Amino acid sequence: EPEVTQTPSHQVTQMGQEVILRCVPISNHLYFYWYRQILGQKVEFLVSFYNNEISEKSEIFDDQFSVERPDGSNFTLKIRSTKLEDSAMYFCASRSGRKLDTEAFFGQGTRLTVV
Amino acid sequence: AQSVSQHNHHVILSEAASLELGCNYSYGGTVNLFWYVQYPGQHLQLLLKYFSGDPLVKGIKGFEAEFIKSKFSFNLRKPSVQWSDTAEYFCAVHSGSARQLTFGSGTQLTVLP
Repeated sequence: EPEVTQTPSHQVTQMGQEVILRCVPISNHLYFYWYRQILGQKVEFLVSFYNNEISEKSEIFDDQFSVERPDGSNFTLKIRSTKLEDSAMYFCASRSGRKLDTEAFFGQGTRLTVV
Repeated sequence: AQSVSQHNHHVILSEAASLELGCNYSYGGTVNLFWYVQYPGQHLQLLLKYFSGDPLVKGIKGFEAEFIKSKFSFNLRKPSVQWSDTAEYFCAVHSGSARQLTFGSGTQLTVLP
């Protein structure tokens, strides 16, 4: 069964450093998402991406964040200068279509720890 | 804006006990409702979903959920839990006004053998 894969599974970085979280969505999917879950809190939407551009973003997704689909298969989330409060589990998801009844498939997550 | 509430943060049950996890949402229009499960160290997996039709939906692993529109609820149930059901369960809503899922805060279920 096709699945969304994320690398690395766990990343530790120093405050102020840049990190790139990588995702390989399911190959025929067109809509891509990043969510995050701070420990003990709910899963929060960050950004959606379609046709090589951001379609929606939340208040969390400020200028420190960016997304890219550099090569047609990877979908990356970059945090330019990490803060302690960026520590969270980051989930990538993809969908084949935009209709409400199209299921989103999630990756296993990348746990980011900022020290 | 839509929101999802899961009132049980941590539920501890013995094997064979019955389970009901509450989920309430706030959105007056047409909604699609989901329950996701996250086993330790694994990704979010879809347990079941409601789009339309029969408000009682059956999912994988013996889980079911009932959509009660008048109560804005979509509670998850299982008549007899197993130790392997230990996981975190998330309710989510996908409504017409947004293209992304809105998640509840999750319920950690621990099933004691």
